[in-house]
Amino acid sequence: AQSVTQLGSHVSVSEGALVLLRCNYSSSVPPYLFWYVQYPNQGLQLLLKYTTGATLVKGINGFEAEFKKSETSFHLTKPSAHMSDAAEYFCAVSATGGGNKLTFGTGTQLKVEL
Amino acid sequence: GAGVSQTPSNKVTEKGKYVELRCDPISGHTALYWYRQSLGQGPEFLIYFQGTGAADDSGLPNDRFFAVRPEGSVSTLKIQRTERGDSAVYLCASSSEVGRGYTFGSGTRLTVV
Repeated sequence: AQSVTQLGSHVSVSEGALVLLRCNYSSSVPPYLFWYVQYPNQGLQLLLKYTTGATLVKGINGFEAEFKKSETSFHLTKPSAHMSDAAEYFCAVSATGGGNKLTFGTGTQLKVEL
Repeated sequence: GAGVSQTPSNKVTEKGKYVELRCDPISGHTALYWYRQSLGQGPEFLIYFQGTGAADDSGLPNDRFFAVRPEGSVSTLKIQRTERGDSAVYLCASSSEVGRGYTFGSGTRLTVV
């Protein structure tokens, strides 16, 4: 079974500041890990994913995340926040060998202030 | 199509009524998923189709919920005897390959009054 914990349901940063959204996972098998973004009244959009290989993955809109097995973490970062980054972000995990069912965290609402 | 299409975008129904929610996946995507997102929560898995068959329906909450995908493309999620607790956004997603992440539709917001 898999589970995801996202620390901080709301995060607020200033425009231009570092964005750090935390995600810890639990999985009994090697995981696939994902970050999705959801803008108001829209579906979820894939930001980035880790399946195998390089543990630092780069995604769209300048976001990246690092898979740290020893810490069971997959934190999302962006060096410089932009107003357009304001949205809800979801971390998700699925099991390798199946990779079918995503288990999502409860989400982190990112607010970007001037 | 270019993306995953869900209809209707909004549905208001009375308690006890039957509803159908439709999902049209990206052309050629063999895998199709239904999720339910309640207010303030992350999406929760309902059911997964590979082709025409339900490969995993472990997330369906009870026997009032049923989904079909008769020709391996369009899928319909059916809810009988709706309850107020069924109110949520129902999301559909499709994928061409397991593990590569899904493409989600914009969802159907179901409100049971």
